[in-house]
Amino acid sequence: GQQLNQSPQSMFIQEGEDVSMNCTSSSIFNTWLWYKQDPGEGPVLLIALYKAGELTSNGRLTAQFGITRKDSFLNISASIPSDVGIYFCAGPPTAKNAGNMLTFGGGTRLMVKP
Amino acid sequence: NAGVTQTPKFRVLKTGQSMTLLCAQDMNHEYMYWYRQDPGMGLRLIHYSVGEGTTAKGEVPDGYNVSRLKKQNFLLGLESAAPSQTSVYFCASSYNYEQYFGPGTRLTVT
Repeated sequence: GQQLNQSPQSMFIQEGEDVSMNCTSSSIFNTWLWYKQDPGEGPVLLIALYKAGELTSNGRLTAQFGITRKDSFLNISASIPSDVGIYFCAGPPTAKNAGNMLTFGGGTRLMVKP
Repeated sequence: NAGVTQTPKFRVLKTGQSMTLLCAQDMNHEYMYWYRQDPGMGLRLIHYSVGEGTTAKGEVPDGYNVSRLKKQNFLLGLESAAPSQTSVYFCASSYNYEQYFGPGTRLTVT
């Protein structure tokens, strides 16, 4: 099936730095979703993208739907300690998907040093 | 709105025991899902439901059963627990592709 590859797998940054991470696929996706999972909690939806080239912001977070439809990017500006967590990208496979199922990437683990 | 809730939060089972995990959502969503999350494996779909009275298999359904008797509830059952089912279980619901997750149930099978 379609797979989503996230990079980097982990990153350790200084508070105040900007963060960039991406998600790529060998197949086309028509929707991209970005989630954050805090330690011991369930994933929380951050941003949803529905159109190629779309750039959407949510506070200090900005996500982009790649023009090729095979990738998406998430940027965090001026990181703070509460940004710590695992960031997942997700998208619905383009094959028959009556259940609105999602494919998830393996996640990028973000650690912030105060 | 409470969103998606899961009970219990933690559980320890012995091999061979059975249990049911309960998921409830108050958003009137048609679609509901059960995932398991293991270190290094990401989120894997166990079963899902497209509406009351319907269920379907996901990526890793073996050893689990589900039921959706009411639209707001989705039950996940383990008939005979095995150590390989030690994991964190998440329920989610949606009306489109945007899935909303519960806080998770941490299950340990000894």
